[in-house]
Amino acid sequence: GNSVTQMEGPVTLSEEAFLTINCTYTATGYPSLFWYVQYPGEGLQLLLKATKADDKGSNKGFEATYRKETTSFHLEKGSVQVSDSAVYFCALSDSGGGADGLTFGKGTHLIIQP
Amino acid sequence: DAGVIQSPRHEVTEMGQEVTLRCKPISGHNSLFWYRQTMMRGLELLIYFNNNVPIDDSGMPEDRFSAKMPNASFSTLKIQPSEPRDSAVYFCASTVGTAYGELFFGEGSRLTVL
Repeated sequence: GNSVTQMEGPVTLSEEAFLTINCTYTATGYPSLFWYVQYPGEGLQLLLKATKADDKGSNKGFEATYRKETTSFHLEKGSVQVSDSAVYFCALSDSGGGADGLTFGKGTHLIIQP
Repeated sequence: DAGVIQSPRHEVTEMGQEVTLRCKPISGHNSLFWYRQTMMRGLELLIYFNNNVPIDDSGMPEDRFSAKMPNASFSTLKIQPSEPRDSAVYFCASTVGTAYGELFFGEGSRLTVL
């Protein structure tokens, strides 16, 4: 079956540090890949996505590149801010990219200290 | 524009009681999802509706759980009888069709069963 593995948190960084949150996946076929973010007290919201190998998704300074050879979709940001503190979820979809086939990772709690 | 609206935001109840969680999807969205989030298991898809019809309820943990969508603007998730292990945050999400993986989540209903 499909699965998504994320690095365990919490991840604690200082403001302006470089961020990497690792995500690897197992899937049949060619899934689409997503990062969702959950701010405190809120529901999840889509951060970025990539639908085929070598695609790069980007939003709000975050980037992730779909690496088929390493089955990875690591999230990066060059300079984090306190407002980036949240839980980040990697997810995949094998139903043509559809939401009905989403499999989420367990989430990585990111804490940014001023 | 209003997002996905869930109620109640918090519910504390005693074991054996009936719990009903409510969701109003975004107007115009025709797919609706119920998820459960716990520390141990992360995000789990419970059930998915398309055009008010349940499409996949394989994630519903047992017969104590039931979900309905009587019309396009309202869905309920019922637990009867509730048990302490049902304590979790329950999220409702909606989207248009299956919209390439972009789900719009509500703020969640935090359930505590004593």
